[in-house]
Amino acid sequence: EIVLTQSPATLSLSPGERATLSCRASQSISTSLAWYQKKPGQAPRLLIHDASNRATGIPARFSGSGSGTDFTLTISSLEPEDFAVYYCQQRPNWVGTFGQGTKVEIK
Amino acid sequence: QVQLVESGGGVVQPGRSLRLSCAASGFTLSTYAIHWVRQAPGKGLEWVAVIWYDGSNKNYADSVKGRFSISRDNSRNIVNLQMSSLRDEDTAVYYCAKDMRFSSSFMDVWGQGTAVSVSS
Repeated sequence: EIVLTQSPATLSLSPGERATLSCRASQSISTSLAWYQKKPGQAPRLLIHDASNRATGIPARFSGSGSGTDFTLTISSLEPEDFAVYYCQQRPNWVGTFGQGTKVEIK
Repeated sequence: QVQLVESGGGVVQPGRSLRLSCAASGFTLSTYAIHWVRQAPGKGLEWVAVIWYDGSNKNYADSVKGRFSISRDNSRNIVNLQMSSLRDEDTAVYYCAKDMRFSSSFMDVWGQGTAVSVSS
């Protein structure tokens, strides 16, 4: 079973600052990773798929990078609507798993 | 527009069963895999199950294997999640989500969720 570990658990930043979120896989998953944004009371939203491809309609301030076991989601300049919880998810070998999430909160 | 609408949630006693449904519109359901994902109160996202575009492959999280069953009727644009032997820890908001591909990968369209509460 592949385990995804996200860090940090919480990121306290101000609007306009850069956010860097990490996701580490317990074994290599090539580029089979996605990032989602989750706000309370809303459905999750796909941001990045296949490690670095922005989903349809996602602003350019969101970018993903990495391969193998180490992945990064970067938000270049935080907008007020970006404060949320972010999850990484591996493309499953038939079975999908999420990381435990990183909360990006307003400092 | 592309849309998924879940239904069937509610309050159920431990050990009982419940069936959730996911109605698809705005796209050709038979072309895509469909997932169920849940979020328990105060917890993170947990992937539950997936069914391939044609129903030929199904997979489940270990936490629900043997108790939950996913199925689809492409002619009616519906995907179901049959939940049996429900436990307190199955209490969550359940989301259905469309995969980007015909097999299991990433989820690009999500429903609004349906709440399930398992309580005596």
